[in-house]
Amino acid sequence: GAGVSQTPSNKVTEKGKYVELRCDPISGHTALYWYRQSLGQGPEFLIYFQGTGAADDSGLPNDRFFAVRPEGSVSTLKIQRTERGDSAVYLCASSLTASTLYNEQFFGPGTRLTVL
Amino acid sequence: DQQVKQNSPSLSVQEGRISILNCDYTNSMFDYFLWYKKYPAEGPTFLISISSIKDKNEDGRFTVFLNKSAKHLSLHIVPSQPGDSAVYFCAAKGSGAGSYQLTFGKGTKLSVIP
Repeated sequence: GAGVSQTPSNKVTEKGKYVELRCDPISGHTALYWYRQSLGQGPEFLIYFQGTGAADDSGLPNDRFFAVRPEGSVSTLKIQRTERGDSAVYLCASSLTASTLYNEQFFGPGTRLTVL
Repeated sequence: DQQVKQNSPSLSVQEGRISILNCDYTNSMFDYFLWYKKYPAEGPTFLISISSIKDKNEDGRFTVFLNKSAKHLSLHIVPSQPGDSAVYFCAAKGSGAGSYQLTFGKGTKLSVIP
Protein backbone atom coordinates (compact mmCIF):
# COMPACT_ATOMS: atom_id res chain seq x y z
CA GLY A 1 0.00 0.00 0.00
CA ALA A 2 1.16 3.52 -0.74
CA GLY A 3 2.43 5.67 2.07
CA VAL A 4 2.26 9.43 2.36
CA SER A 5 3.70 11.07 -0.72
CA GLN A 6 4.92 14.63 -1.13
CA THR A 7 5.80 16.61 -4.22
CA PRO A 8 8.13 18.06 -5.20
CA SER A 9 10.93 16.39 -3.24
CA ASN A 10 13.07 19.50 -3.68
CA LYS A 11 12.10 23.06 -4.45
CA VAL A 12 14.50 25.93 -5.03
CA THR A 13 13.00 29.39 -5.32
CA GLU A 14 14.00 33.00 -5.08
CA LYS A 15 13.15 35.32 -2.25
CA GLY A 16 9.74 36.89 -2.74
CA LYS A 17 8.30 34.11 -4.90
CA TYR A 18 5.22 32.00 -4.22
CA VAL A 19 5.45 28.22 -3.71
CA GLU A 20 3.03 25.35 -3.33
CA LEU A 21 3.89 22.07 -1.66
CA ARG A 22 1.64 19.06 -2.13
CA CYS A 23 0.82 16.17 0.16
CA ASP A 24 -1.02 12.95 -0.68
CA PRO A 25 -2.02 11.17 2.54
CA ILE A 26 -2.59 7.48 2.99
CA SER A 27 -5.95 6.52 1.52
CA GLY A 28 -8.68 6.55 4.14
CA HIS A 29 -6.79 8.71 6.61
CA THR A 30 -9.00 11.57 7.72
CA ALA A 31 -6.40 13.48 9.72
CA LEU A 32 -3.53 15.32 8.01
CA TYR A 33 -0.71 17.33 9.54
CA TRP A 34 2.03 19.62 8.30
CA TYR A 35 5.32 20.01 10.17
CA ARG A 36 8.44 22.01 9.38
CA GLN A 37 11.95 20.82 10.17
CA SER A 38 14.67 23.44 10.13
CA LEU A 39 18.35 22.49 10.09
CA GLY A 40 19.43 20.93 13.37
CA GLN A 41 15.91 20.95 14.81
CA GLY A 42 13.14 18.44 15.25
CA PRO A 43 9.91 18.75 13.27
CA GLU A 44 7.63 21.56 14.46
CA PHE A 45 3.85 21.47 14.11
CA LEU A 46 2.29 23.86 11.61
CA ILE A 47 -1.33 22.87 10.95
CA TYR A 48 -3.78 20.01 11.35
CA PHE A 49 -6.77 19.06 9.22
CA GLN A 50 -9.61 16.79 10.22
CA GLY A 51 -11.41 16.16 6.95
CA THR A 52 -11.59 19.31 4.85
CA GLY A 53 -11.29 21.89 7.59
CA ALA A 54 -8.21 23.22 9.32
CA ALA A 55 -8.92 22.22 12.91
CA ASP A 56 -5.79 23.92 14.24
CA ASP A 57 -3.50 26.31 12.37
CA SER A 58 -1.81 27.70 15.46
CA GLY A 59 1.63 26.57 14.31
CA LEU A 60 1.67 28.59 11.08
CA PRO A 61 4.41 31.20 11.61
CA ASN A 62 2.60 34.11 9.94
CA ASP A 63 -0.05 34.98 7.38
CA ARG A 64 2.28 34.24 4.45
CA PHE A 65 1.57 30.57 5.14
CA PHE A 66 -1.73 28.97 4.21
CA ALA A 67 -2.89 25.39 3.66
CA VAL A 68 -5.95 23.82 2.09
CA ARG A 69 -7.48 20.39 1.81
CA PRO A 70 -10.56 21.00 -0.33
CA GLU A 71 -11.76 17.42 -0.77
CA GLY A 72 -10.51 15.93 2.47
CA SER A 73 -7.64 14.09 0.84
CA VAL A 74 -4.77 15.91 -0.89
CA SER A 75 -3.46 19.00 0.88
CA THR A 76 -1.44 21.94 -0.42
CA LEU A 77 0.74 24.16 1.73
CA LYS A 78 1.10 27.60 0.17
CA ILE A 79 3.81 30.12 1.04
CA GLN A 80 3.63 33.66 -0.29
CA ARG A 81 6.53 36.11 -0.60
CA THR A 82 9.05 33.50 0.48
CA GLU A 83 11.93 34.52 2.72
CA ARG A 84 15.32 32.87 3.26
CA GLY A 85 14.19 31.87 6.74
CA ASP A 86 11.47 29.69 5.19
CA SER A 87 14.16 27.28 3.98
CA ALA A 88 13.47 23.95 5.67
CA VAL A 89 12.11 20.47 5.08
CA TYR A 90 8.32 20.51 5.10
CA LEU A 91 6.88 17.23 6.33
CA CYS A 92 3.35 15.98 5.89
CA ALA A 93 1.83 13.23 8.02
CA SER A 94 -1.52 11.49 8.14
CA SER A 95 -3.36 9.30 10.60
CA LEU A 96 -6.54 7.27 10.48
CA THR A 97 -8.23 9.74 12.78
CA ALA A 98 -7.00 12.24 15.32
CA SER A 99 -9.66 11.60 17.90
CA THR A 100 -7.62 9.40 20.23
CA LEU A 101 -4.29 9.85 21.90
CA TYR A 102 -2.74 6.73 20.40
CA ASN A 103 -3.17 7.43 16.72
CA GLU A 104 0.10 6.86 14.91
CA GLN A 105 1.11 9.57 12.46
CA PHE A 106 2.72 8.31 9.25
CA PHE A 107 5.14 10.77 7.67
CA GLY A 108 5.98 11.44 4.07
CA PRO A 109 9.57 11.95 2.84
CA GLY A 110 9.23 15.73 2.97
CA THR A 111 9.84 18.59 0.55
CA ARG A 112 13.16 20.37 0.94
CA LEU A 113 12.53 24.07 0.27
CA THR A 114 15.48 26.33 -0.40
CA VAL A 115 14.90 30.06 -0.73
CA LEU A 116 17.82 31.87 -2.34
CA ASP B 1 11.36 27.11 25.32
CA GLN B 2 11.98 23.48 24.41
CA GLN B 3 9.45 21.14 25.95
CA VAL B 4 11.20 17.98 24.72
CA LYS B 5 14.96 17.84 25.03
CA GLN B 6 17.48 15.44 23.62
CA ASN B 7 20.75 16.68 25.01
CA SER B 8 23.06 14.37 23.07
CA PRO B 9 23.29 15.39 19.41
CA SER B 10 25.21 12.24 18.54
CA LEU B 11 26.13 8.81 19.88
CA SER B 12 28.56 6.16 18.58
CA VAL B 13 28.22 2.54 19.61
CA GLN B 14 29.99 -0.66 18.62
CA GLU B 15 27.91 -3.25 16.79
CA GLY B 16 26.42 -5.76 19.23
CA ARG B 17 26.54 -3.40 22.20
CA ILE B 18 23.67 -1.50 23.81
CA SER B 19 22.62 1.93 22.55
CA ILE B 20 20.90 4.20 25.07
CA LEU B 21 19.22 7.36 23.82
CA ASN B 22 17.85 9.80 26.37
CA CYS B 23 15.03 12.31 26.34
CA ASP B 24 13.73 14.78 28.93
CA TYR B 25 10.48 16.73 28.90
CA THR B 26 9.15 19.66 30.86
CA ASN B 27 5.41 19.67 30.15
CA SER B 28 3.58 17.62 32.78
CA MET B 29 0.53 17.46 30.47
CA PHE B 30 2.35 15.06 28.14
CA ASP B 31 1.14 11.52 28.65
CA TYR B 32 2.12 9.65 25.52
CA PHE B 33 5.65 9.37 24.23
CA LEU B 34 7.02 8.10 20.95
CA TRP B 35 10.34 7.42 19.32
CA TYR B 36 10.78 8.00 15.61
CA LYS B 37 13.72 6.93 13.48
CA LYS B 38 14.81 8.97 10.46
CA TYR B 39 17.13 8.06 7.62
CA PRO B 40 18.47 10.78 5.30
CA ALA B 41 15.99 11.95 2.64
CA GLU B 42 13.16 9.99 4.27
CA GLY B 43 10.40 11.02 6.65
CA PRO B 44 10.44 9.93 10.30
CA THR B 45 9.13 6.41 10.86
CA PHE B 46 7.45 5.33 14.07
CA LEU B 47 9.54 2.99 16.18
CA ILE B 48 7.98 2.47 19.61
CA SER B 49 5.76 4.31 22.06
CA ILE B 50 4.82 4.33 25.72
CA SER B 51 1.82 5.59 27.62
CA SER B 52 2.32 7.45 30.90
CA ILE B 53 0.51 4.68 32.78
CA LYS B 54 3.43 2.34 32.03
CA ASP B 55 7.10 2.51 32.88
CA LYS B 56 8.39 0.11 30.23
CA ASN B 57 7.46 -1.06 26.77
CA GLU B 58 9.40 -3.62 24.79
CA ASP B 59 9.36 -4.53 21.11
CA GLY B 60 12.07 -6.91 19.97
CA ARG B 61 15.46 -5.22 20.30
CA PHE B 62 13.86 -1.92 21.33
CA THR B 63 12.76 -1.01 24.85
CA VAL B 64 11.51 2.34 26.04
CA PHE B 65 11.63 3.26 29.74
CA LEU B 66 9.62 6.09 31.27
CA ASN B 67 10.36 7.77 34.60
CA LYS B 68 7.42 10.14 35.11
CA SER B 69 8.68 11.66 38.33
CA ALA B 70 11.94 12.62 36.64
CA LYS B 71 10.19 13.51 33.36
CA HIS B 72 12.71 11.33 31.59
CA LEU B 73 12.54 8.56 29.03
CA SER B 74 15.13 6.45 27.33
CA LEU B 75 15.30 4.14 24.34
CA HIS B 76 17.47 1.04 24.61
CA ILE B 77 18.56 -0.88 21.53
CA VAL B 78 20.09 -4.29 22.20
CA PRO B 79 22.03 -5.54 20.33
CA SER B 80 22.83 -2.55 18.14
CA GLN B 81 23.19 -3.22 14.41
CA PRO B 82 24.73 -1.07 11.66
CA GLY B 83 21.27 -0.67 10.11
CA ASP B 84 20.20 1.15 13.29
CA SER B 85 22.40 4.08 12.28
CA ALA B 86 19.95 6.97 11.88
CA VAL B 87 18.64 10.06 13.66
CA TYR B 88 16.28 9.21 16.52
CA PHE B 89 13.62 11.69 17.58
CA CYS B 90 11.78 11.64 20.87
CA ALA B 91 8.23 13.03 20.63
CA ALA B 92 5.41 13.66 23.08
CA LYS B 93 1.65 14.23 23.03
CA GLY B 94 -0.85 15.41 25.62
CA SER B 95 -4.37 14.12 26.14
CA GLY B 96 -6.13 17.44 26.27
CA ALA B 97 -6.72 20.06 23.61
CA GLY B 98 -4.08 19.77 20.90
CA SER B 99 -3.45 16.12 21.69
CA TYR B 100 -2.89 15.42 18.00
CA GLN B 101 0.21 17.62 18.01
CA LEU B 102 3.53 15.88 18.31
CA THR B 103 6.23 17.89 20.06
CA PHE B 104 9.66 16.68 18.98
CA GLY B 105 13.15 16.91 20.41
CA LYS B 106 16.08 17.93 18.23
CA GLY B 107 17.15 14.36 17.63
CA THR B 108 20.18 12.19 18.38
CA LYS B 109 22.28 10.83 15.55
CA LEU B 110 23.22 7.22 16.29
CA SER B 111 26.17 5.65 14.53
CA VAL B 112 26.65 1.91 14.98
CA ILE B 113 30.19 0.93 14.08
CA PRO B 114 30.68 -2.53 12.55
